[in-house]
Amino acid sequence: DADVTQTPRNRITKTGKRIMLECSQTKGHDRMYWYRQDPGLGLRLIYYSFDVKDINKGEISDGYSVSRQAQAKFSLSLESAIPNQTALYFCATSIDRVGGTQYFGPGTRLLVL
Amino acid sequence: GENVEQHPSTLSVQEGDSAVIKCTYSDSASNYFPWYKQELGKGPQLIIDIRSNVGEKKDQRIAVTLNKTAKHFSLHITETQPEDSAVYFCAASIDEPGANNLFFGTGTRLTVIP
Repeated sequence: DADVTQTPRNRITKTGKRIMLECSQTKGHDRMYWYRQDPGLGLRLIYYSFDVKDINKGEISDGYSVSRQAQAKFSLSLESAIPNQTALYFCATSIDRVGGTQYFGPGTRLLVL
Repeated sequence: GENVEQHPSTLSVQEGDSAVIKCTYSDSASNYFPWYKQELGKGPQLIIDIRSNVGEKKDQRIAVTLNKTAKHFSLHITETQPEDSAVYFCAASIDEPGANNLFFGTGTRLTVIP
């Protein structure tokens, strides 16, 4: 969905490096999410933000941090990347009401060597 | 927290046949059940959803059924076509103000054989 963009789309990094994945949306949604997808494990929630001042940990937040720079921007950082953080990362957005569908970006494929 | 199980993990059907994917959930408070389709190289996209106040919902060739008592819900695709080939994810959430985080199943890779 072009309304939710992620950069970069692919990234290779080395163990111990700090990297940032960025997400931008033009949907005007208040809520933004970061998920991780691993084969056979589905999507797991890393962090979510209900608005600029409200950031919450998800199911698997250890080793990750986030920043909500504006309503439209939500970044995910790996402070010191490790190989088991190799995965496909998705950003999603939703409106702040009951029944708000989550809209996903195209994903970032991350390889940590 | 919520635990969603999804079966089967892979499914192959002949074009024109039906496909059924099943999910179970653990939290009886969950009341919103979306299904997502993920095509190669893309993010998941919502294809249909159902709320706990209904038992079935249809949209052309796809339908979803919900059994709250048994805590399971299913996706049915009829007259399958090659473009239905993708990975399908079920999810569950407590859909209320201040919540609505989704818990996903592990996915089903559907292959439609022409």
